[in-house]
Amino acid sequence: GAGVSQTPSNKVTEKGKYVELRCDPISGHTALYWYRQSLGQGPEFLIYFQGTGAADDSGLPNDRFFAVRPEGSVSTLKIQRTERGDSAVYLCASSAPGTSGAPSSYNEQFFGPGTRLTVL
Amino acid sequence: GEDVEQSLFLSVREGDSSVINCTYTDSSSTYLYWYKQEPGAGLQLLTYIFSNMDMKQDQRLTVLLNKKDKHLSLRIADTQTGDSAIYFCAESPDYKLSFGAGTTVTVRA
Repeated sequence: GAGVSQTPSNKVTEKGKYVELRCDPISGHTALYWYRQSLGQGPEFLIYFQGTGAADDSGLPNDRFFAVRPEGSVSTLKIQRTERGDSAVYLCASSAPGTSGAPSSYNEQFFGPGTRLTVL
Repeated sequence: GEDVEQSLFLSVREGDSSVINCTYTDSSSTYLYWYKQEPGAGLQLLTYIFSNMDMKQDQRLTVLLNKKDKHLSLRIADTQTGDSAIYFCAESPDYKLSFGAGTTVTVRA
């Protein structure tokens, strides 16, 4: 079946511009996560959606970053006034709900291939 | 910086065993995970271990967990060229994953 997809695969933009990164999770997965992976580092958590709502956005670095998931499926990560330090690979992951409707303690997250963002 | 620490590089001869080590900080993590990342591909879950286990074996993979020392290791038996990748260990006290910086494994002939 189809996995998590992300578009675009690469995005080059200029400092100060606005960008949108899209994630299509696996069908039926109610949980969706965004992570950011800088060069030579592991992924770092940005935001977690359960359904349409952002259950935890504590990883967003500042108010230039915002994410939405209006219909509980596709999510868009939006970055305003991009800075060179925003350059990274942005990863999206989704997981199936546990019996309570939230991710179970065993939480296999399925990752997309990522969007490589370069801010010049 | 991460709360999960890993050595950055490992070079191993084809056919030998690889051992990747990791230390984590959050003792409330119920599960600990190993992910593999190949160039141009997303993160792939390799294996995981439940925190009340000391060892888990899955084909060529063996995970050892020392909860007292908060130490996790991944052993890959009979390492093949296709095992060349970056390996991440991750802890998960809640829904989000906290990753180490990754260990780059290079398999030489």
